[in-house]
Amino acid sequence: QVQLQESGPGLVKPSQTLSLTCTVSGGSISSGGYYWSWIRQHPGKGLEWIGYIYYSGSTYYNPSLKSRVTISVDTSKNQFSLKLSSVTAADTAVYYCARDRYSYGVDYWGQGTLVTVSS
Amino acid sequence: DIQMTQSPSSLSASVGDRVTITCQASQDISNYLNWYQQKPGKAPKLLIYDASNLETGVPSRFSGSGSGTDFTFTISSLQPEDIATYYCQQYDNLPLGPRTFGGGTKVEIK
Repeated sequence: QVQLQESGPGLVKPSQTLSLTCTVSGGSISSGGYYWSWIRQHPGKGLEWIGYIYYSGSTYYNPSLKSRVTISVDTSKNQFSLKLSSVTAADTAVYYCARDRYSYGVDYWGQGTLVTVSS
Repeated sequence: DIQMTQSPSSLSASVGDRVTITCQASQDISNYLNWYQQKPGKAPKLLIYDASNLETGVPSRFSGSGSGTDFTFTISSLQPEDIATYYCQQYDNLPLGPRTFGGGTKVEIK
C-alpha cells in the first residue's frame, strides 16, 4: 500500500520560502510510471494543481505559479519536495502531495498539511 | 490554458435521489477527465477516470460519461455517506501536460 506523508513548517513568514517534503512509502519513485504532484487547497476553496515531477527530474509547473515554484526529487530517499518563494497570505492553504497515474487520475494522496503565511 | 466549468456549485437532494453534476471544458479534451470526491478535512478520493471508468472499489452507483467538452457525473441513488464536494479534473495527454480542476460541487442532503 502506497503512502505519502507531507512534512515541513506549518507557519511561514511573508516574503520567505515555503518548503515541504513528501516521503513516499510502499512504492519507489524511481520505478517510473507516475507523476509526483503537489496540489493545494485554500481554506474553504477548491483544488489547485501546483505542479509535478517525474522521477527523471522533468517537471510541469502551473503557469500562474511558475516563477515562484521549484519541485525536486530525491530518489535515494524516496522523497520529492516543493519550494514556493516570496510567499504572501494568499499562499495560505492545505498542501497535498499526491501520485498521478498519468492518464488514470490521482490515486494516492497525503493527508495534507496546513501552511499559514503570517508574520 | 483549459478552463473547467462545473455546475451546479452546490445542490441539495434527498436520500435515494439521482444526482447529476456537469463539467464543461473550454476546449476539446477527448475523454481526459477524472472525478473526485472530497469529504471535509480529508484528501480527495478518485472515483472515475478517463470520463467513464470506475476506480477499483468505488460503488457502482457512481458513474461518469461524456467526451469532447461536456461531461456528466451521476450518483444513481444518493446515500448519506455521499455528502461531499465533487471535483472534475482534466489532464493533457501529452507528456508533462497541464492538469486543471473544476470549481467543485457541494452535495448536501435535503
